[in-house]
Amino acid sequence: SQKIEQNSEALNIQEGKTATLTCNYTNYSPAYLQWYRQDPGRGPVFLLLIRENEKEKRKERLKVTFDTTLKQSLFHITASQPADSATYLCALDDRGSTLGRLYFGRGTQLTVWP
Amino acid sequence: ETGVTQTPRHLVMGMTNKKSLKCEQHLGHNAMYWYKQSAKKPLELMFVYNFKEQTENNSVPSRFSPECPNSSHLFLHLHTLQPEDSALYLCASSQARRGNQPQHFGDGTRLSIL
Repeated sequence: SQKIEQNSEALNIQEGKTATLTCNYTNYSPAYLQWYRQDPGRGPVFLLLIRENEKEKRKERLKVTFDTTLKQSLFHITASQPADSATYLCALDDRGSTLGRLYFGRGTQLTVWP
Repeated sequence: ETGVTQTPRHLVMGMTNKKSLKCEQHLGHNAMYWYKQSAKKPLELMFVYNFKEQTENNSVPSRFSPECPNSSHLFLHLHTLQPEDSALYLCASSQARRGNQPQHFGDGTRLSIL
């Protein structure tokens, strides 16, 4: 069966440290993988997209890697801040599925404490 | 301002009521989506519309009826819902291409069924 697993439901880290979130998938063939941030009571907000032929993508303090052999993406937030506290969702497409359709993981709730 | 507006933000209804959720986007996108988000579960795709045509119905019960009169507006008509239908209903839009386009979400309608 198809699965998207995000490492843990909750991750707690100290301010200034690097947060690393994991997204593993099974029985999907994605060309693209995306990461979203969701705050309580709000809709998800797009952060980064990485293509299957890209190993790494950066945007300010954010870094995403994509390993199609391991079927895994890692999402890093460096120099984390309390304002980074939110739920982070990974999403991917799948060859052969409806155009534009994304499949989402359950998310990891990140808490950054001062 | 997310570019995708959902109304109402909160809705409480009895099981015999009929109500409608509304979604509007002014981003020039040609694809629109309805998702259901329940606690501890991944986003569940309900319906996909590309250029006003429904391209996916993810085995959604008939008590949920979508309508897409044009590429900017999407409705979800609700009728005779069950308590397990209580959830956050999210609308999203994107350019309908292979998953290299981010989805833009509204802030959802929090639905409670009495």
